[in-house]
Amino acid sequence: AQSVTQLGSHVSVSEGALVLLRCNYSSSVPPYLFWYVQYPNQGLQLLLKYTTGATLVKGINGFEAEFKKSETSFHLTKPSAHMSDAAEYFCAVSGDTGFQKLVFGTGTRLLVSP
Amino acid sequence: SQTIHQWPATLVQPVGSPLSLECTVEGTSNPNLYWYRQAAGRGLQLLFYSVGIGQISSEVPQNLSASRPQDRQFILSSKKLLLSDSGFYLCAWRVSGNTIYFGEGSWLTVV
Repeated sequence: AQSVTQLGSHVSVSEGALVLLRCNYSSSVPPYLFWYVQYPNQGLQLLLKYTTGATLVKGINGFEAEFKKSETSFHLTKPSAHMSDAAEYFCAVSGDTGFQKLVFGTGTRLLVSP
Repeated sequence: SQTIHQWPATLVQPVGSPLSLECTVEGTSNPNLYWYRQAAGRGLQLLFYSVGIGQISSEVPQNLSASRPQDRQFILSSKKLLLSDSGFYLCAWRVSGNTIYFGEGSWLTVV
């Protein structure tokens, strides 16, 4: 079984500051890891994903995440926050050998102040 | 390219009334289809998934049901809504690989 823990339901940063959203996972099989972003009243958009290979994954809008197996983590970062980054971010894990089912964390709302 | 359509976008229904949310995927065939629910502060919960026509798996016991009458159509239903059914419902699909793609969602408010 898989599970995801996102530390911090809300993260506040100033425009131009580093963004760090934390995600730890639990999985009994090699995990596939995802970050999705949700803007108000919209569906989820895929930011980036890790399946195999390079552990540093680059996504859209300047975001990246690093898979650290020893720490069971997949933290999301962006060097410089923009106002448009304000949204809710979800980390998810999937590792079924058969049918793919995503297990989500509870989400982190990113607030960006001018 | 593939697209997913979900409707209605918003719905206000009285307790005890029926529900039907519909989702259609275009530009692909034989997708895996999913219904998720997002309740405030609780992340996303997988409700149902389907690997083919007429094949439905339920993840949690509840007041809802799902059906897949056609390859690219997935319907979420209820005979009698409860207040606790309120939330944001998301349809999603996957064809190959590991990535699941989401629709725009439907807001359901039960009053």
